Amino acid sequence: GQQLNQSPQSMFIQEGEDVSMNCTSSSIFNTWLWYKQDPGEGPVLLIALYKAGELTSNGRLTAQFGITRKDSFLNISASIPSDVGIYFCAGPDSNSGYALNFGKGTSLLVTP
Amino acid sequence: DAGVIQSPRHEVTEMGQEVTLRCKPISGHNSLFWYRQTMMRGLELLIYFNNNVPIDDSGMPEDRFSAKMPNASFSTLKIQPSEPRDSAVYFCASSSSSGFRINEQFFGPGTRLTVL
Repeated sequence: GQQLNQSPQSMFIQEGEDVSMNCTSSSIFNTWLWYKQDPGEGPVLLIALYKAGELTSNGRLTAQFGITRKDSFLNISASIPSDVGIYFCAGPDSNSGYALNFGKGTSLLVTP
Repeated sequence: DAGVIQSPRHEVTEMGQEVTLRCKPISGHNSLFWYRQTMMRGLELLIYFNNNVPIDDSGMPEDRFSAKMPNASFSTLKIQPSEPRDSAVYFCASSSSSGFRINEQFFGPGTRLTVL
């Protein structure tokens, strides 16, 4: 499947700070998804994006579908300790349309 | 609403034993996916069912792996015989297959499998 590159690999921030992470691909995607995975749990869908340029919010989270359709950004405002986890971007495999290709994740640590 | 339910949450077994993982998808979802997560390879799709029918099993590692979906509310993933390299976290996910919503996949809590 298509490769998704996430950056940064990890972030260590203080509570209250804003966070920004991104995901890029050499291929065009028609859908971008952002998931969060807590230790010992399954990925939880945070935001789904369907149109180039689309900006969607979910509470303190905001994600954007890049104009080129080859990238996406996730921002978290005023981080809190429970934001700790691994954030994955995902997009549908171009061959199947149903399988999801996942990035390797951005690990976020928030100190009180 | 109940999310995707998986059991057991943890399984420790010895090499050569049969392992059965279970999944109950979200009610009303007609697409079901089994994924495997490892540190080396991340999340990989093993098999995809639509309306209880296996559509794509190209991700199943080998013949030791099999999956069934006898009805809309239950699926199993079986490994027989198990090997240490099968140790991983196995996730079940479900979604509605109406158009692009198929990609909004909801994951269960996973089964952490350790094969000794």
